[in-house]
Amino acid sequence: DGGITQSPKYLFRKEGQNVTLSCEQNLNHDAMYWYRQDPGQGLRLIYYSQIVNDFQKGDIAEGYSVSREKKESFPLTVTSAQKNPTAFYLCASEGTGVPYEQYFGPGTRLTVT
Amino acid sequence: KQEVTQIPAALSVPEGENLVLNCSFTDSAIYNLQWFRQDPGKGLTSLLLIQSSQREQTSGRLNASLDKSSGRSTLYIAASQPGDSATYLCAVVGVTGGFKTIFGAGTRLFVKA
Repeated sequence: DGGITQSPKYLFRKEGQNVTLSCEQNLNHDAMYWYRQDPGQGLRLIYYSQIVNDFQKGDIAEGYSVSREKKESFPLTVTSAQKNPTAFYLCASEGTGVPYEQYFGPGTRLTVT
Repeated sequence: KQEVTQIPAALSVPEGENLVLNCSFTDSAIYNLQWFRQDPGKGLTSLLLIQSSQREQTSGRLNASLDKSSGRSTLYIAASQPGDSATYLCAVVGVTGGFKTIFGAGTRLFVKA
């Protein structure tokens, strides 16, 4: 069963702690993306990766970091430098069929208090 | 800079009604436009993708149209059902500035039984 998995579904952290969100795909897609979703706003791009061992900053990369050591995995770390980390985080990958067609994981809701 | 707007932000209709959701974009130089559905607390599910050379796409009770010159797309839902209740987002891949995907904030639809 091909798809994108994100874990955990809910994550709670204290302010000042770093936290890592997992994203795994078995679709054999090269490109992967991290988005942040806040109420009443469109998705905003945090980081993306077109190929293993390479990634680019998106529009709101400050306070976040990523790695892409394997094609299947694209973890996102929310660092203590992110001023307002509470949000819904979505991981996506881009298909190899239709250019720029994105497929999304189920999301992780992060709450920082 | 491409901006994507969806109006209205929320819509409530009785079951069985045909309805239209709107998506407008400011830069007509687009590669494609994708409509997604999002259930509360879940990821995005792709509904329809329209290439820039196409005028419309259909899937079951859904029909999406694209008018690049006026910067508009509509998603038509026929014979709405309570199960259609969700948030519908459109996303535009622009050509200007390197094929970035820009999301609208979505229209929250509630279909009353």
